[in-house]
Amino acid sequence: DTAVSQTPKYLVTQMGNDKSIKCEQNLGHDTMYWYKQDSKKFLKIMFSYNNKELIINETVPNRFSPKSPDKAHLNLHINSLELGDSAVYFCASSQDHLGGGAFFGQGTRLTVV
Amino acid sequence: QKEVEQNSGPLSVPEGAIASLNCTYSDRGSQSFFWYRQYSGKSPELIMSIYSNGDKEDGRFTAQLNKASQYVSLLIRDSQPSDSATYLCAVITGGYQKVTFGIGTKLQVIP
Repeated sequence: DTAVSQTPKYLVTQMGNDKSIKCEQNLGHDTMYWYKQDSKKFLKIMFSYNNKELIINETVPNRFSPKSPDKAHLNLHINSLELGDSAVYFCASSQDHLGGGAFFGQGTRLTVV
Repeated sequence: QKEVEQNSGPLSVPEGAIASLNCTYSDRGSQSFFWYRQYSGKSPELIMSIYSNGDKEDGRFTAQLNKASQYVSLLIRDSQPSDSATYLCAVITGGYQKVTFGIGTKLQVIP
């Protein structure tokens, strides 16, 4: 039973395309996140949702749009993909937004060509 | 100044030695501190959390927090080759409980 699962694991696409990454957690957590890990391995938070409500929205281009249909799911849609979007995107969840440690999905390696 | 700073390493230690990983943070109001381990090509895995000053031990791992000096450290006793990974320090900062990660320290345990 995978706690935090995201699909797809690999995504190769051309510049200008639109793509989505899906994430689901079965831990009963209230808070979910999207992180981006770039080629230098720096892990940076993009968005955080608590019970379907957006609570953190870092300086991310508005081509990135998260959607949380329910507290167990947090999807990421990216419009007009650019070369610089190539990275590994991690979904994560935590019990709440007050400071508990997060559990990460296996990551989606996005390559824009 | 970066919010969470770590030496990227690599830090090389012989098998059986103690590995000491350090992290400093800039926000004095930070409340929660975490250590994650990330193997190459894998996702980060939570290994320790610490919220108050002092030491917290879990098996071969000890987390140390000093809020006055704004640093948090992770000690790994009896280091094993399987401990070779990148160790990420994470700090909860800000009014929105934002999680900020350091760049990570790459640890190499030499057999």
